[in-house]
Amino acid sequence: AQSVAQPEDQVNVAEGNPLTVKCTYSVSGNPYLFWYVQYPNRGLQFLLKYITGDNLVKGSYGFEAEFNKSQTSFHLKKPSALVSDSALYFCAVRDSGGNMLTFGGGTRLMVKP
Amino acid sequence: DAGITQSPRYKITETGRQVTLMCHQTWSHSYMFWYRQDLGHGLRLIYYSAAADITDKGEVPDGYVVSRSKTENFPLTLESATRSQTSVYFCASSENPATEAFFGQGTRLTVV
Repeated sequence: AQSVAQPEDQVNVAEGNPLTVKCTYSVSGNPYLFWYVQYPNRGLQFLLKYITGDNLVKGSYGFEAEFNKSQTSFHLKKPSALVSDSALYFCAVRDSGGNMLTFGGGTRLMVKP
Repeated sequence: DAGITQSPRYKITETGRQVTLMCHQTWSHSYMFWYRQDLGHGLRLIYYSAAADITDKGEVPDGYVVSRSKTENFPLTLESATRSQTSVYFCASSENPATEAFFGQGTRLTVV
């Protein structure tokens, strides 16, 4: 069975500082990895994905993520956090040969002025 | 309008009643999903579908039924609602396994 772990329920960072939201996964076969963001009372919005190729992927709003196969990780990063980045972030994995899309428990990012 | 829509947005029902949540997408995406979101549990997959007439169980399927007679619709039915099914339900669709999923706005269901 595939799974995703987001070890931090909440990440606090000051505005202007770099941020990292952690994600590790378990899946058979090659992984397709995704990050989504959820603002209050809204559905999930896609940020970025890793399918194949360069391990560093860039996405919306200045976010990027690094795929590390040996550590089975896909951490989300941003060089300089904004207060408006405060939201709930979800990592998700899909087996390249499968149909299920599995999400982690989510990490609440709080960016303080 | 193009997109994925869920109805109703809010629903209150009584224990033991049957309730159906609707999901409609206009892209003709092959894959569709139903999730429930609860505090402390993130998003848990209830059922998913790879194509019309093909559905499969996710992590938490008990007490739920789905159907997919048409590509664009994927209704979720709670056969006999229980208080533990109080949650926010999200529907999503994707074109194929390598493409991102698009989510509806969610249905907030309260079972009293």
